[in-house]
Amino acid sequence: DQQVKQNSPSLSVQEGRISILNCDYTNSMFDYFLWYKKYPAEGPTFLISISSIKDKNEDGRFTVFLNKSAKHLSLHIVPSQPGDSAVYFCAATGRNGGATNKLIFGTGTLLAVQP
Amino acid sequence: SQTIHQWPATLVQPVGSPLSLECTVEGTSNPNLYWYRQAAGRGLQLLFYSVGIGQISSEVPQNLSASRPQDRQFILSSKKLLLSDSGFYLCAWSGFDEQYFGPGTRLTVT
Repeated sequence: DQQVKQNSPSLSVQEGRISILNCDYTNSMFDYFLWYKKYPAEGPTFLISISSIKDKNEDGRFTVFLNKSAKHLSLHIVPSQPGDSAVYFCAATGRNGGATNKLIFGTGTLLAVQP
Repeated sequence: SQTIHQWPATLVQPVGSPLSLECTVEGTSNPNLYWYRQAAGRGLQLLFYSVGIGQISSEVPQNLSASRPQDRQFILSSKKLLLSDSGFYLCAWSGFDEQYFGPGTRLTVT
């Protein structure tokens, strides 16, 4: 059972335009959501997160939106740059579930930003 | 600042051979530690996590095992590798919410 889903395996965007990466989850106990960026042959790097008490969090060119009723979150990158080309993973956790901080990851979306 | 190391970076092993991957964390104490695997075309699958020395929880049944002999050392092992064990293995640590990943080990079982 895939609790965190990224239904688009890939996305291609022109440089300077907006990139929108989507993520859906099924577990209503999730209350904290994260986005990671991963280049080939490297470990994922933390990008941005959002708590379920918010519906938007912004950090520079990156904004994450959370729609709890739809169990949906999205990552917006504006403007997109060629260096943003990578695989983006959505992850979720239930912080009230104990000390383990286990993250449940989606399958990732490969973003290609065309110059 | 905290850093996380993994070695080796790449490994090619024959089927049936043993495996030992090591992960160490610097700059923090008593971290939660995690082993993940990314198989080709798949997401990140949590294999093991540890909240303290000697405490290991397994997320999926498999032919791998993990150990935490020291606070900041996490080891992934196998007695006999299978072809299906090929993948990109990632170690991570967390302090509170976010997890921070090491550079990974590319394992190819031939």
